[in-house]
Amino acid sequence: GNSVTQMEGPVTLSEEAFLTINCTYTATGYPSLFWYVQYPGEGLQLLLKATKADDKGSNKGFEATYRKETTSFHLEKGSVQVSDSAVYFCALSDPIQGAQKLVFGQGTRLTINP
Amino acid sequence: EPEVTQTPSHQVTQMGQEVILRCVPISNHLYFYWYRQILGQKVEFLVSFYNNEISEKSEIFDDQFSVERPDGSNFTLKIRSTKLEDSAMYFCASSHAMLAGINEQFFGPGTRLTVL
Repeated sequence: GNSVTQMEGPVTLSEEAFLTINCTYTATGYPSLFWYVQYPGEGLQLLLKATKADDKGSNKGFEATYRKETTSFHLEKGSVQVSDSAVYFCALSDPIQGAQKLVFGQGTRLTINP
Repeated sequence: EPEVTQTPSHQVTQMGQEVILRCVPISNHLYFYWYRQILGQKVEFLVSFYNNEISEKSEIFDDQFSVERPDGSNFTLKIRSTKLEDSAMYFCASSHAMLAGINEQFFGPGTRLTVL
């Protein structure tokens, strides 16, 4: 079945540091890929998405590129801020298998220190 | 900006009791979902609902679970006889439609269910 694997957390960085959170996936079809973010006390919010190979999703300074050859969708940001502290979830939606459900990674807790 | 709301934010119940978790999806959305996250584990899909019926469910969603859209605004998850292992954060989500295979789901803040 489909699955998503994220790098283990927690991740702690200083403000203005470069961020990478790794995400790899297994899917039988051609999935859409997503990054969701959960700020303290809030629900999951869509951060960015990509629907086909080589697409780059971007939002709020975050980027992720859909790499079919490495089955990856790593999240990056050039200069993180304290307000980026949150839990980040990588997810996929596979139109071949279970078109409607999202399959999530385990989440990565990010803490940014001033 | 429209958002998905969930009530209560925290529910504590005794094992064997019935609980109903409530959600109000975004008003013009057509697809509704429940997910859960056991502490320290992944967010897991439970069920999707469209056109007043279940369209997909996971193996977790057994006979103890049911969903309902009792009126035009609410979407509920009922657990008939709770077990200790049902303790988790339950998330409701909704989406407008599948556009070119993209299913962008909007999530509520979650209900934390604690079964004692």
